[in-house]
Amino acid sequence: ETGVTQTPRHLVMGMTNKKSLKCEQHLGHNAMYWYKQSAKKPLELMFVYNFKEQTENNSVPSRFSPECPNSSHLFLHLHTLQPEDSALYLCASSQELAGVYEQYFGPGTRLTVT
Amino acid sequence: DAKTTQPPSMDCAEGRAANLPCNHSTISGNEYVYWYRQIHSQGPQYIIHGLKNNETNEMASLIITEDRKSSTLILPHATLRDTAVYYCIAVGTASKLTFGTGTRLQVTL
Repeated sequence: ETGVTQTPRHLVMGMTNKKSLKCEQHLGHNAMYWYKQSAKKPLELMFVYNFKEQTENNSVPSRFSPECPNSSHLFLHLHTLQPEDSALYLCASSQELAGVYEQYFGPGTRLTVT
Repeated sequence: DAKTTQPPSMDCAEGRAANLPCNHSTISGNEYVYWYRQIHSQGPQYIIHGLKNNETNEMASLIITEDRKSSTLILPHATLRDTAVYYCIAVGTASKLTFGTGTRLQVTL
């Protein structure tokens, strides 16, 4: 496996379900990110982790709960989502250095909340 | 970070050079210009970045004007696989990437 992988690629869940998105990077990077891309809207940064520590939370509702057990893995736990949470969820990683913004993105998880 | 302005869409014939402009007239001295692209329903892909000098890699060339108020991404020989949304981002140190709406490039036969 190379690069950044995300599973599942597609997910349909009801508003009362609990599910998790998984991201894994094989690039030796120390920073990982979650982005949300709703239809016809720009990418929105949700969370940033640097060396497993959360360094940014962009006012994301608590029904989205990230977890970063190590520098290679990132999870997004989902519970009691709303239909407006349907979107493409993208994970990215980078080498966290000042002035370096080369982020490598995974293919995304297409989430549909019914 | 400086705001960037890009045309919403452009067309390019396959095999020709695609020149994608970006205006960043309020860019400050320590802000880099980054370019990414996003092919339909995939994650964005890093293309190139620069500060003051022109840059070239295997994917593209980046031409930054001397006053740094604008730049052009050049795909020298566009192919159908280059059809994507291209994002120009001005970002300074200790900031985060902020994606706008980009330019939708359509490469045609």
